[in-house]
Amino acid sequence: DSGVTQTPKHLITATGQRVTLRCSPRSGDLSVYWYQQSLDQGLQFLIQYYNGEERAKGNILERFSAQQFPDLHSELNLSSLELGDSALYFCASSVLQRGGTDTQYFGPGTRLTVL
Amino acid sequence: AQSVTQPDIHITVSEGASLELRCNYSYGATPYLFWYVQSPGQGLQLLLKYFSGDTLVQGIKGFEAEFKRSQSSFNLRKPSVHWSDAAEYFCAVGGYNNAGNMLTFGGGTRLMVKP
Repeated sequence: DSGVTQTPKHLITATGQRVTLRCSPRSGDLSVYWYQQSLDQGLQFLIQYYNGEERAKGNILERFSAQQFPDLHSELNLSSLELGDSALYFCASSVLQRGGTDTQYFGPGTRLTVL
Repeated sequence: AQSVTQPDIHITVSEGASLELRCNYSYGATPYLFWYVQSPGQGLQLLLKYFSGDTLVQGIKGFEAEFKRSQSSFNLRKPSVHWSDAAEYFCAVGGYNNAGNMLTFGGGTRLMVKP
């Protein structure tokens, strides 16, 4: 158990819908990351938040957005869902130490199925 | 841009045999390197990491990895594989910059263990 929690574990929805994935970081971690794992794209970085502010963006679609709240939990919002958005979405957290010697710990993931 | 290549998509070894999983990276500065393992239906668990210092790093579950700068490699090894090691293994490179601390993952190597 990494200490990172994600809900829900599974999500099944229809095309065109909107869903929200939730992540709680490890106690003491200020940085939250979202990754997408799909069969064709592999594991890809989506976005990072640090202490409530967006820090870095990866291959995140405009239909996707995220935020980090004052209690440090984060939500990833996916809208206008398409079949191709079906994937496993991971959240990770870290302290974000200066100098880069930072270790990310991953949650169990949310499996999204778009029908 | 940083990148990671895991040349072997699938590897099958007999239980008790030794294992080496290959990882090659491309990164402009000093790389921070990681190996994660993903068991079926599970999240990503950190096996080991390299930040600096001794180029041979020890991890959990009897795994070790060796950083070779001249070959841009960070191969994972285990002297004797157990059936419970069957999983998918991901090599990742990370590094701190003003934009954040994202991880770039390789495509993964799926390990199967024969009894």
